[in-house]
Amino acid sequence: DAKTTQPTSMDCAEGRAANLPCNHSTISGNEYVYWYRQIHSQGPQYIIHGLKNNETNEMASLIITEDRKSSTLILPHATLRDTAVYYCIVRVVNAGGTSYGKLTFGQGTILTVHP
Amino acid sequence: DVKVTQSSRYLVKRTGEKVFLECVQDMDHENMFWYRQDPGLGLRLIYFSYDVKMKEKGDIPEGYSVSREKKERFSLILESASTNQTSMYLCASSLSGGIYEQYFGPGTRLTVT
Repeated sequence: DAKTTQPTSMDCAEGRAANLPCNHSTISGNEYVYWYRQIHSQGPQYIIHGLKNNETNEMASLIITEDRKSSTLILPHATLRDTAVYYCIVRVVNAGGTSYGKLTFGQGTILTVHP
Repeated sequence: DVKVTQSSRYLVKRTGEKVFLECVQDMDHENMFWYRQDPGLGLRLIYFSYDVKMKEKGDIPEGYSVSREKKERFSLILESASTNQTSMYLCASSLSGGIYEQYFGPGTRLTVT
């Protein structure tokens, strides 16, 4: 799976949009971009994923550049409860094989939302 | 809502003990996973299962075994606990097929003394 690079930490004011970047310059054509987050002392939580088109759900938006070498997770109106470690993961989605289920979490970005 | 539950949030065991960590999911997912999380090392896959009685080794299976007798339940077994198995253990489940997101349980913090 392609390696990702994220900033170590970011701050955001409550109510503002939080834009979390991720670089994945070695991504290949059959790799998806996934975002998870982990609030302190809890298990990781799925946020969103995409291949090449921008995606939006009730939690966030995912913007993937045209060359797919980077992406940005957007939390449109951050709240204090969004303070967490955010992980950008790039992985191959195979129809079969034994590696398709594995998620490789890097160090992530610590997002702190301030009042 | 998908729910993944783990039998304990905190567990303290002695070196050499046999330890069972239980995970149950209520969404009829085919896939289930066991990870451990350590500071500076991220999450690492220990084992996963894609069907009842089926299992595959992950990246760090040594010292662990698993059991999946029923679709909703996936157990992680430490045959003889050692101090280097002190960690946060996370269970996850997902639908069959690689594209689907994984749902995680709250984790079990295991301390082996």
